Amino acid sequence: KNQVEQSPQSLIILEGKNCTLQCNYTVSPFSNLRWYKQDTGRGPVSLTIMTFSENTKSNGRYTATLDADTKQSSLHITASQLSDSASYICVVGGFTGGGNKLTFGTGTQLKVEL
Amino acid sequence: NAGVTQTPKFQVLKTGQSMTLQCAQDMNHNSMYWYRQDPGMGLRLIYYSASEGTTDKGEVPNGYNVSRLNKREFSLRLESAAPSQTSVYFCASSAGPGINIQYFGAGTRLSVL
Repeated sequence: KNQVEQSPQSLIILEGKNCTLQCNYTVSPFSNLRWYKQDTGRGPVSLTIMTFSENTKSNGRYTATLDADTKQSSLHITASQLSDSASYICVVGGFTGGGNKLTFGTGTQLKVEL
Repeated sequence: NAGVTQTPKFQVLKTGQSMTLQCAQDMNHNSMYWYRQDPGMGLRLIYYSASEGTTDKGEVPNGYNVSRLNKREFSLRLESAAPSQTSVYFCASSAGPGINIQYFGAGTRLSVL
């Protein structure tokens, strides 16, 4: 069964600090891995998409890494801001006969405090 | 920059009532999706439309129907609502069904009593 597991479930950090969120997956055959940010009461917003051949991708202060051999990804947030408080969702795409099937993790809830 | 627009934002139904959730996108995207998000679970795909004129079942289609009205609009219908359908529903769109960014609407919060 395709699964995406994220850790930690929740995290509290001080503004200005860095943090790293983890994602492990068992999706096969692997197609791509995405990170989304979801603010409370809003829809998810895409941060990065990586395919098998990519092992790092950045979007501003967000840097995602991918190790397709160990089936792990991480999202590193640099110099956190209060606006980074949100749920971060790891999503893994797998090839299917009809295209690309996405499996969503349950998210890491990040809170940035003063 | 409207992106993906969902209506209504909130809805309360009684068991057995029917309703249609509306979704429209203004990005000229070919593919559209309906998801539900429940506490402690990842988003789950209900139905999707890879292109205008086609619809397919996702992971949790039971109790739902969809209509791809045109390229812009994709609606989700609950014929006889059940308490198990209490959830937050998200519509999304993408340029195509492959490795493309999916853009999400703000969601519809539905309670079935």
